[in-house]
Amino acid sequence: GAVVSQHPSRVICKSGTSVKIECRSLDFQATTMFWYRQFPKKSLMLMATSNEGSKATYEQGVEKDKFLINHASLTLSTLTVTSAHPEDSSFYICSADWGVQETQYFGPGTRLLVL
Amino acid sequence: DAKTTQPTSMDCAEGRAANLPCNHSTISGNEYVYWYRQIHSQGPQYIIHGLKNNETNEMASLIITEDRKSSTLILPHATLRDTAVYYCIVRVEGGGADGLTFGKGTHLIIQP
Repeated sequence: GAVVSQHPSRVICKSGTSVKIECRSLDFQATTMFWYRQFPKKSLMLMATSNEGSKATYEQGVEKDKFLINHASLTLSTLTVTSAHPEDSSFYICSADWGVQETQYFGPGTRLLVL
Repeated sequence: DAKTTQPTSMDCAEGRAANLPCNHSTISGNEYVYWYRQIHSQGPQYIIHGLKNNETNEMASLIITEDRKSSTLILPHATLRDTAVYYCIVRVEGGGADGLTFGKGTHLIIQP
């Protein structure tokens, strides 16, 4: 299967600051990557679809000005949580499709804690 | 809403086969059944997927009923490391433009 990495694995920040999370496809190119969010004891929820070279597509209820997505290359997508607040504390996970069957593979996740 | 329904939790003894059911009665003809699992505090891990024929790989077997309205994931010899939340998802293969819709999944607990 494919390998997707994320950095950092966990981050603690103060309320009002911005945090950038990186998602990389390590051994393949991904024109599309996906960002999910998972609150404790809940399922993953799709936040947005990141498209290389174009604007991201956001799910209903996700603020595009708060969650900035940049997909500047075929192996890197970034999610920036701007002006983070405690309610943004969550587990953020990215994924990408790989292979002829376009199976979706996930990164290890980034745990964000906003104080 | 997720297009699948799964039991909330299941227990299985270590070394035995774990059989996880999933109902997907509204599945479309071009949708595949995918299984993922998520071990605590990790990203989901792909297990297997299939359309209508039974599938097997090094991790598990997938049995899909003839009418495709339900399926069963089989872990042949469960170990403690198989304790995780298992998600059954339907998706068009090659649906590269679409993210996945996760339901609540089944929390499988392997008992020693």
